[in-house]
Amino acid sequence: DLQMTQSPSSLSASVGDRVTITCRASQGINTFLAWYQQKPGKVPRLLIYAASTLQSGVPSRFSGSGSGTDFTLTISSLQPEDVATYYCQKYNSGPITFGQGTRLDIK
Amino acid sequence: QVQLVQSGAEVRRPGSSVMVSCKASGGTFNIYAINWVRQAPGRGLEWMGTIIPISGTADYAQKSQGRVTITADEATSTAYMRLSSLRSDDTAVYYCARGFISECRSGSCKTASAFDLWGQGTMVTVSS
Repeated sequence: DLQMTQSPSSLSASVGDRVTITCRASQGINTFLAWYQQKPGKVPRLLIYAASTLQSGVPSRFSGSGSGTDFTLTISSLQPEDVATYYCQKYNSGPITFGQGTRLDIK
Repeated sequence: QVQLVQSGAEVRRPGSSVMVSCKASGGTFNIYAINWVRQAPGRGLEWMGTIIPISGTADYAQKSQGRVTITADEATSTAYMRLSSLRSDDTAVYYCARGFISECRSGSCKTASAFDLWGQGTMVTVSS
């Protein structure tokens, strides 16, 4: 099965920092890639779909890029409320697969 | 505004089965796909399977095959996930989540969609 590998698995950054999380697919998935945010004890929330399209209501400091096998989620200026675990997901044909998650906290 | 409302927490013995429901309220049910995702304590998200109610098509993760059955009742806009032969490692929060149908041909539909709306989650505890 296709694997989705995120890096890093965890990171700490300061408020205002630019933060980048990467996701690599073991096979090409075009742009069938989504990013989710899950705050502790909460339901996952869709941030980005089609690799780079911002879901309605999501702050513009979040952005996504990439196609094929390599993808990036960027937070342009980290805010305290962004503390969460972030997951990538491939959703094209075949099994739907999530990355293992990246835990983000404030330094 | 559409919401997905799941049934309440369950406690089961090993070897038994559990059924979790997911009711769509406030909108049209049969233009969507309903996915089931679980999350064990302290772990990541795991896709279990998907159903497209309008066609009745269900697709399962290989790991779930044989123990999971996903169904949908269009009349009540409710999807169900039944997990049998429960083990302690099935202890998890189970979520339903909405996706969109990407195409339908000759009565068979497919989905290739992110999950834009989630249920509140149902905690299933398997313990002797």
